[in-house]
Amino acid sequence: GESVGLHLPTLSVQEGDNSIINCAYSNSASDYFIWYKQESGKGPQFIIDIRSNMDKRQGQRVTVLLNKTVKHLSLQIAATQPGDSAVYFCAENTGANSKLTFGKGITLSVRP
Amino acid sequence: ETGVTQTPRHLVMGMTNKKSLKCEQHLGHNAMYWYKQSAKKPLELMFVYNFKEQTENNSVPSRFSPECPNSSHLFLHLHTLQPEDSALYLCASSQQWSSYNEQFFGPGTRLTVL
Repeated sequence: GESVGLHLPTLSVQEGDNSIINCAYSNSASDYFIWYKQESGKGPQFIIDIRSNMDKRQGQRVTVLLNKTVKHLSLQIAATQPGDSAVYFCAENTGANSKLTFGKGITLSVRP
Repeated sequence: ETGVTQTPRHLVMGMTNKKSLKCEQHLGHNAMYWYKQSAKKPLELMFVYNFKEQTENNSVPSRFSPECPNSSHLFLHLHTLQPEDSALYLCASSQQWSSYNEQFFGPGTRLTVL
Protein backbone atom coordinates (compact mmCIF):
# COMPACT_ATOMS: atom_id res chain seq x y z
CA GLY A 1 0.00 0.00 0.00
CA GLU A 2 0.93 3.62 -0.12
CA SER A 3 2.85 5.00 2.79
CA VAL A 4 4.56 8.04 4.12
CA GLY A 5 7.59 7.52 6.32
CA LEU A 6 10.56 9.19 7.89
CA HIS A 7 14.12 7.94 7.60
CA LEU A 8 15.29 8.43 11.21
CA PRO A 9 13.40 8.27 14.49
CA THR A 10 15.50 10.91 16.30
CA LEU A 11 17.72 13.81 15.38
CA SER A 12 19.99 15.67 17.78
CA VAL A 13 21.46 19.01 16.73
CA GLN A 14 23.50 21.74 18.35
CA GLU A 15 21.73 25.01 19.01
CA GLY A 16 22.49 27.39 16.17
CA ASP A 17 23.11 24.66 13.63
CA ASN A 18 20.82 23.92 10.72
CA SER A 19 18.50 20.89 10.94
CA ILE A 20 17.34 18.73 8.08
CA ILE A 21 14.44 16.34 8.55
CA ASN A 22 13.64 13.93 5.75
CA CYS A 23 10.50 12.20 4.63
CA ALA A 24 9.90 9.60 1.93
CA TYR A 25 6.56 9.06 0.28
CA SER A 26 5.48 6.35 -2.12
CA ASN A 27 2.30 7.68 -3.72
CA SER A 28 3.31 9.33 -6.97
CA ALA A 29 -0.19 10.81 -7.24
CA SER A 30 0.31 12.94 -4.11
CA ASP A 31 0.08 16.60 -4.97
CA TYR A 32 0.23 18.38 -1.65
CA PHE A 33 2.54 17.98 1.31
CA ILE A 34 2.59 19.44 4.79
CA TRP A 35 5.05 19.53 7.65
CA TYR A 36 3.73 19.55 11.20
CA LYS A 37 5.42 20.20 14.52
CA GLN A 38 4.12 18.64 17.72
CA GLU A 39 5.46 19.83 21.05
CA SER A 40 5.03 17.80 24.19
CA GLY A 41 1.48 18.04 25.52
CA LYS A 42 0.19 19.84 22.47
CA GLY A 43 -1.52 18.97 19.22
CA PRO A 44 0.23 19.13 15.86
CA GLN A 45 0.89 22.58 14.48
CA PHE A 46 1.13 23.43 10.80
CA ILE A 47 4.60 24.62 9.81
CA ILE A 48 4.72 24.85 6.06
CA ASP A 49 3.21 23.25 2.99
CA ILE A 50 4.13 22.73 -0.63
CA ARG A 51 2.26 21.73 -3.76
CA SER A 52 3.66 19.32 -6.28
CA ASN A 53 4.11 22.03 -8.90
CA MET A 54 6.86 23.51 -6.74
CA ASP A 55 10.18 22.11 -5.59
CA LYS A 56 11.01 24.61 -2.89
CA ARG A 57 9.14 26.86 -0.53
CA GLN A 58 10.50 29.09 2.19
CA GLY A 59 9.02 30.33 5.39
CA GLN A 60 10.43 32.00 8.44
CA ARG A 61 13.60 29.99 9.22
CA VAL A 62 12.10 26.94 7.51
CA THR A 63 12.41 25.64 3.98
CA VAL A 64 10.64 22.67 2.45
CA LEU A 65 12.17 20.89 -0.51
CA LEU A 66 10.28 18.47 -2.72
CA ASN A 67 11.97 16.01 -5.05
CA LYS A 68 9.25 14.26 -7.00
CA THR A 69 11.71 12.15 -8.94
CA VAL A 70 12.73 10.22 -5.85
CA LYS A 71 9.56 10.97 -3.87
CA HIS A 72 11.42 12.77 -1.13
CA LEU A 73 10.43 15.68 1.08
CA SER A 74 12.66 17.52 3.49
CA LEU A 75 12.29 20.23 6.09
CA GLN A 76 15.23 22.50 6.76
CA ILE A 77 15.32 24.60 9.91
CA ALA A 78 17.89 27.35 9.99
CA ALA A 79 19.70 28.32 13.18
CA THR A 80 17.90 25.71 15.27
CA GLN A 81 16.70 26.95 18.64
CA PRO A 82 15.69 25.12 21.83
CA GLY A 83 12.07 25.97 21.04
CA ASP A 84 12.36 23.87 17.90
CA SER A 85 12.61 20.71 20.01
CA ALA A 86 9.53 18.70 19.11
CA VAL A 87 8.27 15.82 17.01
CA TYR A 88 8.06 16.64 13.31
CA PHE A 89 6.02 14.71 10.79
CA CYS A 90 5.06 15.04 7.20
CA ALA A 91 1.73 14.43 5.57
CA GLU A 92 0.67 13.92 1.98
CA ASN A 93 -2.56 14.34 0.11
CA THR A 94 -3.76 13.02 -3.21
CA GLY A 95 -6.75 15.26 -3.76
CA ALA A 96 -9.13 17.79 -2.25
CA ASN A 97 -11.54 15.15 -1.02
CA SER A 98 -8.98 12.69 0.18
CA LYS A 99 -7.65 12.40 3.65
CA LEU A 100 -4.14 13.31 4.63
CA THR A 101 -1.71 10.42 5.13
CA PHE A 102 0.71 11.11 7.95
CA GLY A 103 4.22 9.89 8.62
CA LYS A 104 5.28 8.45 11.95
CA GLY A 105 7.29 11.39 13.19
CA ILE A 106 10.86 12.18 14.11
CA THR A 107 12.00 13.73 17.36
CA LEU A 108 14.24 16.76 17.05
CA SER A 109 16.36 17.42 20.12
CA VAL A 110 18.34 20.64 20.34
CA ARG A 111 21.48 20.60 22.47
CA PRO A 112 22.34 23.88 24.23
CA GLU B 1 -3.59 28.58 21.62
CA THR B 2 -5.00 27.25 18.37
CA GLY B 3 -8.65 28.07 18.98
CA VAL B 4 -9.54 24.42 19.43
CA THR B 5 -10.15 23.16 22.96
CA GLN B 6 -10.62 19.62 24.18
CA THR B 7 -11.91 18.25 27.46
CA PRO B 8 -10.96 16.36 29.42
CA ARG B 9 -7.21 16.50 28.87
CA HIS B 10 -6.75 13.13 30.58
CA LEU B 11 -9.18 10.26 31.02
CA VAL B 12 -8.83 6.87 32.62
CA MET B 13 -11.68 4.45 32.13
CA GLY B 14 -12.50 0.81 32.55
CA MET B 15 -13.62 -1.37 29.68
CA THR B 16 -17.24 -1.28 30.86
CA ASN B 17 -17.45 2.47 31.30
CA LYS B 18 -19.13 4.99 29.05
CA LYS B 19 -17.48 8.35 28.62
CA SER B 20 -17.45 11.22 26.14
CA LEU B 21 -14.74 13.45 24.76
CA LYS B 22 -15.60 17.01 23.88
CA CYS B 23 -14.10 19.35 21.34
CA GLU B 24 -14.96 22.98 20.72
CA GLN B 25 -13.57 25.30 18.09
CA HIS B 26 -13.76 29.10 18.19
CA LEU B 27 -12.52 29.70 14.66
CA GLY B 28 -15.78 29.77 12.73
CA HIS B 29 -14.79 26.64 10.84
CA ASN B 30 -17.21 24.28 9.18
CA ALA B 31 -15.26 21.01 9.27
CA MET B 32 -14.20 19.07 12.34
CA TYR B 33 -12.13 15.92 12.66
CA TRP B 34 -11.28 13.21 15.16
CA TYR B 35 -7.84 11.62 14.97
CA LYS B 36 -6.22 8.86 16.99
CA GLN B 37 -2.53 9.13 17.80
CA SER B 38 -0.93 5.98 19.20
CA ALA B 39 2.66 5.73 20.33
CA LYS B 40 5.09 5.31 17.45
CA LYS B 41 2.29 5.20 14.87
CA PRO B 42 1.13 7.81 12.39
CA LEU B 43 -1.92 9.92 13.03
CA GLU B 44 -5.06 8.04 12.03
CA LEU B 45 -8.11 9.87 10.81
CA MET B 46 -11.27 8.55 12.46
CA PHE B 47 -14.16 10.81 11.49
CA VAL B 48 -14.83 13.96 9.52
CA TYR B 49 -17.83 16.26 9.80
CA ASN B 50 -18.42 18.96 7.21
CA PHE B 51 -21.24 21.41 7.91
CA LYS B 52 -22.47 19.03 10.65
CA GLU B 53 -22.72 16.09 8.26
CA GLN B 54 -20.45 13.10 8.65
CA THR B 55 -18.40 12.73 5.49
CA GLU B 56 -15.77 10.24 6.61
CA ASN B 57 -15.81 7.18 8.82
CA ASN B 58 -12.44 5.56 8.48
CA SER B 59 -13.55 2.03 9.38
CA VAL B 60 -13.74 2.94 13.04
CA PRO B 61 -15.20 0.32 15.43
CA SER B 62 -18.73 1.04 16.62
CA ARG B 63 -17.54 1.41 20.21
CA PHE B 64 -16.55 4.92 19.07
CA SER B 65 -19.57 7.06 18.26
CA PRO B 66 -19.16 10.66 17.07
CA GLU B 67 -21.68 13.43 17.42
CA CYS B 68 -21.63 16.89 15.87
CA PRO B 69 -24.58 18.99 17.11
CA ASN B 70 -23.29 22.14 15.42
CA SER B 71 -20.24 23.33 13.54
CA SER B 72 -18.49 24.43 16.73
CA HIS B 73 -18.83 21.29 18.80
CA LEU B 74 -17.77 17.71 18.29
CA PHE B 75 -18.11 14.79 20.66
CA LEU B 76 -16.69 11.30 20.70
CA HIS B 77 -18.77 8.90 22.77
CA LEU B 78 -16.88 5.90 24.09
CA HIS B 79 -18.29 2.62 25.37
CA THR B 80 -16.88 -0.84 26.03
CA LEU B 81 -13.43 0.16 24.92
CA GLN B 82 -10.40 -2.12 24.79
CA PRO B 83 -6.94 -1.50 26.27
CA GLU B 84 -5.56 -1.09 22.73
CA ASP B 85 -7.80 1.98 22.39
CA SER B 86 -5.53 3.81 24.79
CA ALA B 87 -4.08 6.71 22.83
CA LEU B 88 -4.11 10.47 22.39
CA TYR B 89 -7.33 11.56 20.71
CA LEU B 90 -6.99 14.75 18.75
CA CYS B 91 -9.67 17.02 17.46
CA ALA B 92 -9.06 19.38 14.57
CA SER B 93 -11.01 21.87 12.53
CA SER B 94 -10.64 23.56 9.17
CA GLN B 95 -12.56 26.07 7.12
CA GLN B 96 -14.26 23.21 5.34
CA TRP B 97 -13.58 19.61 4.41
CA SER B 98 -10.63 19.61 2.10
CA SER B 99 -7.17 18.35 2.71
CA TYR B 100 -5.93 21.59 1.15
CA ASN B 101 -7.39 23.57 4.05
CA GLU B 102 -5.13 24.03 7.04
CA GLN B 103 -6.26 21.97 9.99
CA PHE B 104 -5.98 23.42 13.47
CA PHE B 105 -5.53 20.85 16.20
CA GLY B 106 -6.57 20.85 19.81
CA PRO B 107 -4.21 19.64 22.57
CA GLY B 108 -5.79 16.21 22.67
CA THR B 109 -7.29 13.93 25.31
CA ARG B 110 -4.93 11.32 26.68
CA LEU B 111 -7.10 8.21 27.11
CA THR B 112 -6.09 5.20 29.15
CA VAL B 113 -8.33 2.12 29.08
CA LEU B 114 -7.76 -0.30 31.93
